[in-house]
Amino acid sequence: AQSVTQPDIHITVSEGASLELRCNYSYGATPYLFWYVQSPGQGLQLLLKYFSGDTLVQGIKGFEAEFKRSQSSFNLRKPSVHWSDAAEYFCAVVPYNTDKLIFGTGTRLQVFP
Amino acid sequence: DGGITQSPKYLFRKEGQNVTLSCEQNLNHDAMYWYRQDPGQGLRLIYYSQIVNDFQKGDIAEGYSVSREKKESFPLTVTSAQKNPTAFYLCASSIASGATDTQYFGPGTRLTVL
Repeated sequence: AQSVTQPDIHITVSEGASLELRCNYSYGATPYLFWYVQSPGQGLQLLLKYFSGDTLVQGIKGFEAEFKRSQSSFNLRKPSVHWSDAAEYFCAVVPYNTDKLIFGTGTRLQVFP
Repeated sequence: DGGITQSPKYLFRKEGQNVTLSCEQNLNHDAMYWYRQDPGQGLRLIYYSQIVNDFQKGDIAEGYSVSREKKESFPLTVTSAQKNPTAFYLCASSIASGATDTQYFGPGTRLTVL
């Protein structure tokens, strides 16, 4: 079945540590790819997006993501996490030839001082 | 400042009552969306509107209704037919409804049905 998967429900890291959040998709053609962040009780904010071109995408708040076609992945990374990064992160896709945004189930990030 | 406002932030209703959630945007966006978010799940699309006076059902439209009489407003009514209405509701808008048009989200309304 076509889907977008975030295999990690909950991740805990120490402040200053590096971070990688996983996202995999299963669509025949490469979809458009997005990462959103949601602070507790808030709406979603777009971190970055990939449509085509350079497979390493820079976003806001020091985040980046790398598209790997061979692995059907679009993992989100940050070299050094800050306590304010604690939030829920959603990977989302717009499948090829559609205009519908489909969300993964999210990864909750907890940051310890 | 341009943005999307949703009101109220928290809403409590008795079972069997209809309730309307407000969503307003001053971004001059043509497209607007309503999503439902439940714990441990991603966002699911309820309804969307590409233009004034037009809207389409999303994946979970049963028990919900919408209207789009003005470009800036897209209210959502949760009817008594919705079996499990307690959830966090998010409104979004985009400049158009194309695949590459970024959706911008409001702060959400948490609905609790008692």
